[in-house]
Amino acid sequence: SQQGEEDPQALSIQEGENATMNCSYKTSINNLQWYRQNSGRGLVHLILIRSNEREKHSGRLRVTLDTSKKSSSLLITASRAADTASYFCATDAGNSGYALNFGKGTSLLVTP
Amino acid sequence: EAGVAQSPRYKIIEKRQSVAFWCNPISGHATLYWYQQILGQGPKLLIQFQNNGVVDDSQLPKDRFSAERLKGVDSTLKIQPAKLEDSAVYLCASSSGTGELINYGYTFGSGTRLTVV
Repeated sequence: SQQGEEDPQALSIQEGENATMNCSYKTSINNLQWYRQNSGRGLVHLILIRSNEREKHSGRLRVTLDTSKKSSSLLITASRAADTASYFCATDAGNSGYALNFGKGTSLLVTP
Repeated sequence: EAGVAQSPRYKIIEKRQSVAFWCNPISGHATLYWYQQILGQGPKLLIQFQNNGVVDDSQLPKDRFSAERLKGVDSTLKIQPAKLEDSAVYLCASSSGTGELINYGYTFGSGTRLTVV
């Protein structure tokens, strides 16, 4: 079952602007991960944040986690056309096998 | 390191035919996953292996889907017979750990795009 829900479903911005995507989930988690998927390709892992962490940075990416609200956000700063892709949050809920549950994704379009 | 290899890249079959997908995970990764991604949706777990044992296959339609991981390395996913609604991208992923042990995310293959006509 899909636990994460990303918001918005689609986002269109210009190069240089910041892009913010949100993710909500339903149950307690061990960690939350964000992935990027370019059209017709596999998913690429971006960042992992554990349930006891509140914020994490990686290059132009900033992820926050609020376990009390069961939500996370992904911020991409100074976006580039190459950031155009779908972005998925995935939760490790610690159920059988610890397999990740993915949301439906946010489609990001960055125009020059 | 080499990535997760999947083949074929594309497959078109008629309904009621059978099809098989192959996956070679990253060397040393004990955990292997098969996900189904229907167009416009996020990936849905079909089956998870730990070495050559099944950990979770609760969402695998066992009347038509089967999967195996011989010797705890390569894996194959089979659909027999295929239905129109099986049209999707089938993604294989592997990881070095699970739960509290995981430090990195999954590594995904490029997937197999299946079209059932």
